[in-house]
Amino acid sequence: EPEVTQTPSHQVTQMGQEVILRCVPISNHLYFYWYRQILGQKVEFLVSFYNNEISEKSEIFDDQFSVERPDGSNFTLKIRSTKLEDSAMYFCASSRDQTYGYTFGSGTRLTVV
Amino acid sequence: GESVGLHLPTLSVQEGDNSIINCAYSNSASDYFIWYKQESGKGPQFIIDIRSNMDKRQGQRVTVLLNKTVKHLSLQIAATQPGDSAVYFCAEGFGGGADGLTFGKGTHLIIQP
Repeated sequence: EPEVTQTPSHQVTQMGQEVILRCVPISNHLYFYWYRQILGQKVEFLVSFYNNEISEKSEIFDDQFSVERPDGSNFTLKIRSTKLEDSAMYFCASSRDQTYGYTFGSGTRLTVV
Repeated sequence: GESVGLHLPTLSVQEGDNSIINCAYSNSASDYFIWYKQESGKGPQFIIDIRSNMDKRQGQRVTVLLNKTVKHLSLQIAATQPGDSAVYFCAEGFGGGADGLTFGKGTHLIIQP
């Protein structure tokens, strides 16, 4: 069964540093998403992406965040200057069409120290 | 056993029993609802969905019930198995996938032998 692949599985970074979280969506999917989950809390929507541009973003997705699809297979989330409160699991997801039936990856655990 | 997902975060049931996980959603305009299962260290996994023009939908061993009058969603799992142990999240959406899902806090389902 096709999977959404995320790397790395765990990243530790110092406060103020830039991090890039990587995702390989399912190959024939066209819609891409990032969600995050702070430990013990809800899964929260960050951003959706289609046709090489952001479709929607939440209040969490401020100027410190950016997304990119640098090639035909990768989808990245960049945090420019990490803060302690950015520590969370970050999940990538993708879908073939504009429905909610998308597939999540296993996540990247980001720890900001 | 029965729980309210937002107020009783843990539900313990005997293997083989039926379980009911409840969720109160917030947006009366939401037109799509999903139940996800999240096992430790993994991303949310789609279980079953339902659109707002329906009040019941059945899958394999699972049934979702939607009561729009009181904004209530439930997930029934028949004949629970050890592999059903996980955190279960309800999520609501409106207007198509690009807008992102709003997740509930989750209920931890524990299956006792």
